[in-house]
Amino acid sequence: DADVTQTPRNRITKTGKRIMLECSQTKGHDRMYWYRQDPGLGLRLIYYSFDVKDINKGEISDGYSVSRQAQAKFSLSLESAIPNQTALYFCATSGGTGVNTEAFFGQGTRLTVV
Amino acid sequence: AQSVTQPDIHITVSEGASLELRCNYSYGATPYLFWYVQSPGQGLQLLLKYFSGDTLVQGIKGFEAEFKRSQSSFNLRKPSVHWSDAAEYFCAVGPMEYGNKLVFGAGTILRVKS
Repeated sequence: DADVTQTPRNRITKTGKRIMLECSQTKGHDRMYWYRQDPGLGLRLIYYSFDVKDINKGEISDGYSVSRQAQAKFSLSLESAIPNQTALYFCATSGGTGVNTEAFFGQGTRLTVV
Repeated sequence: AQSVTQPDIHITVSEGASLELRCNYSYGATPYLFWYVQSPGQGLQLLLKYFSGDTLVQGIKGFEAEFKRSQSSFNLRKPSVHWSDAAEYFCAVGPMEYGNKLVFGAGTILRVKS
């Protein structure tokens, strides 16, 4: 099984619908992240969490919310999806600072908003 | 604020030829530097990382990168490219003091021609 698992892998939804993307990890890491990838823009940070009680906005948090249900689970919600939220979404984890800074990524969720 | 520039959106090389992918960063102190590779339909896999010490770092799949502080660069190299290296490559920078809030470049798509 993958260390970082995202569900669903693909999703098509309609404008205005609420949708949740889920992420779970088996690496025992405290730090979890949500990124979105758009062609030509690389990966941009949406939200990050350094432990269960810590949630922080990233570069592009508008229109998104997150929930850290447990150390191993970090969900991303689009409260009212819009077409420009069509993107590839990645969840990532890391063990912390220093040599544990390396991020481990899930395989991504491809979201299409029509 | 930190930023990462990958000047080349696309690069095409012949199989067996050498490869250099460019990465320049902007950051106030010595950053943590990473190169990730994304194969089609896959998540991101870490190729190599630089934290401190020897400025030439070796990674997986025969890749290496050199940190040049004076040029704020961290270019990725491979002496002989294989067809399986065709993918998208991302350079990323992370601040030392806040752990792994990675900032990514826009990516370089590598095409390998036979």
